[in-house]
Amino acid sequence: NAGVTQTPKFQVLKTGQSMTLQCAQDMNHNSMYWYRQDPGMGLRLIYYSASEGTTDKGEVPNGYNVSRLNKREFSLRLESAAPSQTSVYFCASGASSYNEQFFGPGTRLTVL
Amino acid sequence: KQEVTQIPAALSVPEGENLVLNCSFTDSAIYNLQWFRQDPGKGLTSLLLIQSSQREQTSGRLNASLDKSSGRSTLYIAASQPGDSATYLCAVKYSGGSNYKLTFGKGTLLTVNP
Repeated sequence: NAGVTQTPKFQVLKTGQSMTLQCAQDMNHNSMYWYRQDPGMGLRLIYYSASEGTTDKGEVPNGYNVSRLNKREFSLRLESAAPSQTSVYFCASGASSYNEQFFGPGTRLTVL
Repeated sequence: KQEVTQIPAALSVPEGENLVLNCSFTDSAIYNLQWFRQDPGKGLTSLLLIQSSQREQTSGRLNASLDKSSGRSTLYIAASQPGDSATYLCAVKYSGGSNYKLTFGKGTLLTVNP
């Protein structure tokens, strides 16, 4: 099992560009999450999907959109990137909202 | 405000020492608590999950305890090794309301010196 996979691993964008971060899990988990990690701020939840077909905002959703494409895949889209979105983005999954969460390797995004 | 605090922010120990990492949380109404390890430039690896009804969990040289009444959890690492060097993160799932969210501490950076 690959667990949680994320693409790309690294990305550099210019302000105003758009991009989609991809996440997939092969553990048959119902819940999936997107976090960002910033120095001094810790990890913060951007969006989550409790089950296929549902998505909800987390702590810091502004500037992002998500799509739960199917049970395996949960993508995060930046429509118009801003330097404040420079961060490391982690996708995670869990059997349910109440269970242990497993994290992917992260995407390191720089917005110039 | 529901917060998670980890002290110390950094810890350096000689190889072979037993050590304790601390995590405190502000609200005793929790669903579970999870300890993670993060290596530089890598993702988070789940180490242990303690449900609110449990007092401790063990995995190999790791033992995590939970005391909800005092709002504390500890991660005990026995016979530390240089390979244990990493940042250790504590995360709490508070119960009630929106219980989907993990609230993370800022971590303890552990260095085990050969």
